[in-house]
Amino acid sequence: EAQVTQNPRYLITVTGKKLTVTCSQNMNHEYMSWYRQDPGLGLRQIYYSMNVEVTDKGDVPEGYKVSRKEKRNFPLILESPSPNQTSLYFCASTAYPGQPNTEAFFGQGTRLTVV
Amino acid sequence: GDSVTQMEGPVTLSEEAFLTINCTYTATGYPSLFWYVQYPGEGLQLLLKATKADDKGSNKGFEATYRKETTSFHLEKGSVQVSDSAVYFCALTEAGNNRKLIWGLGTSLAVNP
Repeated sequence: EAQVTQNPRYLITVTGKKLTVTCSQNMNHEYMSWYRQDPGLGLRQIYYSMNVEVTDKGDVPEGYKVSRKEKRNFPLILESPSPNQTSLYFCASTAYPGQPNTEAFFGQGTRLTVV
Repeated sequence: GDSVTQMEGPVTLSEEAFLTINCTYTATGYPSLFWYVQYPGEGLQLLLKATKADDKGSNKGFEATYRKETTSFHLEKGSVQVSDSAVYFCALTEAGNNRKLIWGLGTSLAVNP
């Protein structure tokens, strides 16, 4: 089954404690990205990756890092989480980054709370 | 920059009622347009899409037509069911190399039996 898998689904952590949210896709997609979803602000792109070892900032990259060492994995790293990073996070993957009409597949989301 | 505006919710309907959720956009170039749906506790999934003017996307009884003259992509369904209760997002893809989706804020739909 084609899917994007995020872990964990829920996470409560304390300010400053480094954490990683994992994302893995089994569709051999080249393009992967991270979004955060906040009430009243919708979904905003954090980082994206066009392929292995190619990553770039989205609209709200501050406080986040990513890596793309393998095609299937695209972890999101919060080196020093702060309460304003409390949010619902989604990982997404898309085939054929040069074709804007292709569908994005989303993970089930990670609800992060930073206290 | 590009943007998407959706009608605010929540929208509450009775089963078998007609649904319209308005979506308008601003974009340079020729974006592709999408409707995604988020069921409770789940991630987003594609509902339908349209890639050029006058295209009609359809799926599960939902339809939307890409209207370039009015820069709109309104979602419609003739007879909603309780199982359609979800949050609906209109989105577009920017031209260029980044496949970033530009999102509306979402419209929550509740369908009562």
